[in-house]
Amino acid sequence: QVQLQESGPGLVKPSQTLSLTCTVSGGSISSGSYYWSWIRQPAGKGLEWIGRIYTSGSTNYNPSLKSRVTISVDTSKNQFSLKLSSVTAADTAVYYCARGLAAGLYFDYWGQGTLVTVSS
Amino acid sequence: SYVLTQPPSVSVAPGKTARITCGGNNIGSKSVHWYQQKPGQAPVLVIYYDSDRPSGIPERFSGSNSGNTATLTISRVEAGDEADYYCQVWDSSSDQVFGGGTKLTVL
Repeated sequence: QVQLQESGPGLVKPSQTLSLTCTVSGGSISSGSYYWSWIRQPAGKGLEWIGRIYTSGSTNYNPSLKSRVTISVDTSKNQFSLKLSSVTAADTAVYYCARGLAAGLYFDYWGQGTLVTVSS
Repeated sequence: SYVLTQPPSVSVAPGKTARITCGGNNIGSKSVHWYQQKPGQAPVLVIYYDSDRPSGIPERFSGSNSGNTATLTISRVEAGDEADYYCQVWDSSSDQVFGGGTKLTVL
């Protein structure tokens, strides 16, 4: 059973960079059948896809966030990471990492989510 | 950008059938996926490729997709089905897109 676990600071100051890591267990992050994504959800609101990375290192980002987002992968640690720069209060949300099926572009496993608050 | 429109809320009595719609321009030409999210929990995939169910999802959950509307149907609704439901597609201009979500209330 694949499991994903987000980790990182729960509080980030405005204008700084939000950094989160997702650790994958129960399976290899290097499988070519999958990709690895970040998705966020502000309190009381819907889901917003942030971006994805394939183990080849190829990335795709939400056009609305593209200028501020970087997703990277460390196959040796079975981890992938998110960096979101120049954060504001609008970036306060629960951040999920998820595994996606490369063929169908949908998510079959999700982490439990981690709340990141942007505040001074 | 591609927009998916869901009703904010749907209410249904136990044992009845709930239908949650997801509207989008020519959505019938896309693959639609559905997620269930209970309070304080991560989303769970309940339908993929319009109508396929992952293992462990009850047969009461089904999906369809045609024209400009995709529909998630939950038969014989139970109290435990109360949750938020999100549709999701891939679009060439917007990449992965979620609908705004529908809160299912079991009366």
